[in-house]
Order: sequence, then C-alpha cells, then structure tokens
Amino acid sequence: DQQVKQNSPSLSVQEGRISILNCDYTNSMFDYFLWYKKYPAEGPTFLISISSIKDKNEDGRFTVFLNKSAKHLSLHIVPSQPGDSAVYFCAAVYYGQNFVFGPGTRLSVLP
Amino acid sequence: DVKVTQSSRYLVKRTGEKVFLECVQDMDHENMFWYRQDPGLGLRLIYFSYDVKMKEKGDIPEGYSVSREKKERFSLILESASTNQTSMYLCASRENTEAFFGQGTRLTVV
Repeated sequence: DQQVKQNSPSLSVQEGRISILNCDYTNSMFDYFLWYKKYPAEGPTFLISISSIKDKNEDGRFTVFLNKSAKHLSLHIVPSQPGDSAVYFCAAVYYGQNFVFGPGTRLSVLP
Repeated sequence: DVKVTQSSRYLVKRTGEKVFLECVQDMDHENMFWYRQDPGLGLRLIYFSYDVKMKEKGDIPEGYSVSREKKERFSLILESASTNQTSMYLCASRENTEAFFGQGTRLTVV
C-alpha cells in the first residue's frame, strides 16, 4: 500500500502558465515533505521542502502548499518554463525513518 | 559542493553475472541508500546503511546485497543478475532531512 501517492503520472502545461503537481499521503506521522526533480539519465535533485508546522513555503518560481487535515501537498511552478520539463517526485519522512517517495509525475512544459 | 558519485552511468550485463555498483560520497554522511527507479513505481529502497559495516534491508532487498567497509563508500551487489533487475539504480546519502543523489546507473541485463 503506497504511503505517498502522486495520482497524475503525467501533466502537460503551456510555457508561462502555472504547473500544479499534487501529492497525497496516508501516514499522519510524516512531518517533513520534499520535492525532487529528475531529468532523464540523471539523479534526482532537491527542489523545495516544507515542514509540517507550516502550510506554505516559497522559493522563487516554486511554492509548496501543505494541507495537513487533507494529507495533501502541492507544488506550484509559476511561470512554467521548458526547462522545468522533468519527473517530479514527492517525498515524505518523519524523525528517524527513511524517506518515502511517490511514483512521480512527468511534467512537460510546451513552448 | 556536495557530491555523490556512482562509478558507472551505463552498464550492460549478462544474466547470471555478478554485478557491482559503486557509490562514493564526500560529505561524511553516516546514512547511505540504494534505490531503484522504475516507471510508475517511483524510487524503491533496496538497502540502506547508517554506519560502517552496518546494513539494513529496504523494501525490495531480494536478489541484492550491499557492502559498507568505509564510511564514504556503499556498494550494491547483484549476486546473479536477472532481466527483472534491469533498471535505473540511484545511490543517495543523507544528513537529517536532506538527501543527495548520485547521477544514477542505468543497468541493462540481457
């Protein structure tokens, strides 16, 4: 049973528009959440994170929102750029435990 | 600049071969991990290590073993490669809530 779910395997967005990637989790013990970005033939790179004591974290074009009651988080990319085309993994963790990764969402930003 | 380095980007091996995937990190992290990435399945944890000579099974350890003789090096071993082990293998090291990944090894078993 997947503890971290990304129900959209893929997403296509026009350049300049907003990309919204969603992630749901089932374990209420998770207290820290991360987004990783992965290009083909490369390892994942850290993008942005959020602690469970916050509901929003922003870094440039990237914002992560956390809704603890719904066990849902989302990554917003505004404006989307072709270089953002990649697979995005949501990950969750709690103290002393290993990261749990979602299956990933492939984002395509169309010029 | 933190670095996790995997020894090979691409490997092609025959069924039944013993395969070694090497990973080195330069951040003095105690925790190191091996994942495999398959389409639609995300990153699945094979093995991890929280100290030299210590190892723990992850979610999918069958068909794999690991070795951690030095803090900076964590090796993944496929004792007898099979075609269902064709995958992208990712090594990571971790400090607190940050994980750093290597560039990945694309292994094809024929």
